[in-house]
Amino acid sequence: GQQLNQSPQSMFIQEGEDVSMNCTSSSIFNTWLWYKQDPGEGPVLLIALYKAGELTSNGRLTAQFGITRKDSFLNISASIPSDVGIYFCAGQAALNQAGTALIFGKGTTLSVSS
Amino acid sequence: NAGVTQTPKFRVLKTGQSMTLLCAQDMNHEYMYWYRQDPGMGLRLIHYSVGEGTTAKGEVPDGYNVSRLKKQNFLLGLESAAPSQTSVYFCASSYGRAAGYNEQFFGPGTRLTVL
Repeated sequence: GQQLNQSPQSMFIQEGEDVSMNCTSSSIFNTWLWYKQDPGEGPVLLIALYKAGELTSNGRLTAQFGITRKDSFLNISASIPSDVGIYFCAGQAALNQAGTALIFGKGTTLSVSS
Repeated sequence: NAGVTQTPKFRVLKTGQSMTLLCAQDMNHEYMYWYRQDPGMGLRLIHYSVGEGTTAKGEVPDGYNVSRLKKQNFLLGLESAAPSQTSVYFCASSYGRAAGYNEQFFGPGTRLTVL
């Protein structure tokens, strides 16, 4: 089945540093979504991408839909302690493919020390 | 709007017991999903529904059953709980599958322990 490879698995950074994480797939996707999960909570949508090459920002977060439609990255600038959590990428294949709506990566756990 | 709500928040079962997890959404979404989350495994789809009265299997459906009798509710049942079903369960919903309508909104989760 389709899989997303998300990296890195975990990151330990200092407050103020920039962060970058990415997801790759062997399949083409027509949607990339980035979620954040705080401890003890459900995932919350951060950014949605719908066009190859699209670059979208949400405050200190920037995400891009890869031009090949097989990858996406998320950058966080000037990290702060509340950025701590698990970040998930999720992709959806073309509509004519059977199966589930979204495929999720295994997550990147971010730790920020002040 | 409450969004997606789940009950209960926590539950402890003994092996062989049964239980039902309830998910409710007030966003008039057509699609609803049940996931389980285990350490290092990410989110794995158990079952999903594309509309009232329909259900379909996801990636890890064994040991679970679901029902979608009303559009706003999606129930996940465990008929005979096993320790391997100890996990955190998340419900989600979305308008549909087309780009721009497939953003999934998640509930707060149910933490289930099977002894």
